[in-house]
Amino acid sequence: NAGVTQTPKFRILKIGQSMTLQCAQDMNHNYMYWYRQDPGMGLKLIYYSVGAGITDKGEVPNGYNVSRSTTEDFPLRLELAAPSQTSVYFCASSYSQLLNEQFFGPGTRLTVL
Amino acid sequence: GDSVTQMEGPVTLSEEAFLTINCTYTATGYPSLFWYVQYPGEGLQLLLKATKADDKGSNKGFEATYRKETTSFHLEKGSVQVSDSAVYFCAPGPASNDMRFGAGTRLTVKP
Repeated sequence: NAGVTQTPKFRILKIGQSMTLQCAQDMNHNYMYWYRQDPGMGLKLIYYSVGAGITDKGEVPNGYNVSRSTTEDFPLRLELAAPSQTSVYFCASSYSQLLNEQFFGPGTRLTVL
Repeated sequence: GDSVTQMEGPVTLSEEAFLTINCTYTATGYPSLFWYVQYPGEGLQLLLKATKADDKGSNKGFEATYRKETTSFHLEKGSVQVSDSAVYFCAPGPASNDMRFGAGTRLTVKP
């Protein structure tokens, strides 16, 4: 099993550009999450999904969009990138809602200049 | 939603010192609780967990006991090593859109 994979590992964007961060998991997990981690800070939940076709906003959803067309994939879309979106983005997945042990991807480091 | 409050860092210890990182939770009922560790340049990985009150989770010499009377899940290790230098996060279950991780505690262990 590859676990949770994320692409790309690094990306530099110019202000106003758009991009999609890819996330995939091969563990047949229903729950998937996107977090951002600013330098020296904790994790903030951007969006989360309880299954294909179902997504919900987390703590900091503004400037982002997600879709969940399959159980495996959960891409995060940035429209009109801004410097405030410079961060490390982590995708995670879990099997159970109650015993919510999350498996994290390696992260995507995004810089917006 | 369920949330945790975690001791702020950074924490700097000498090798073989005793470690405690405090975590208290706010929740309806008694959710599962987790400690995750993040080594430099990596994603988070599960360190240990407790699924119900009075459970003790343990892994790699770390322990945490889920104490419902004090709503706490403090992380402890009797003798830290340089390789334990990392950021530690306390987190509650269950999954929800307002689930909140702890802020993270950076531990540096000096030889």
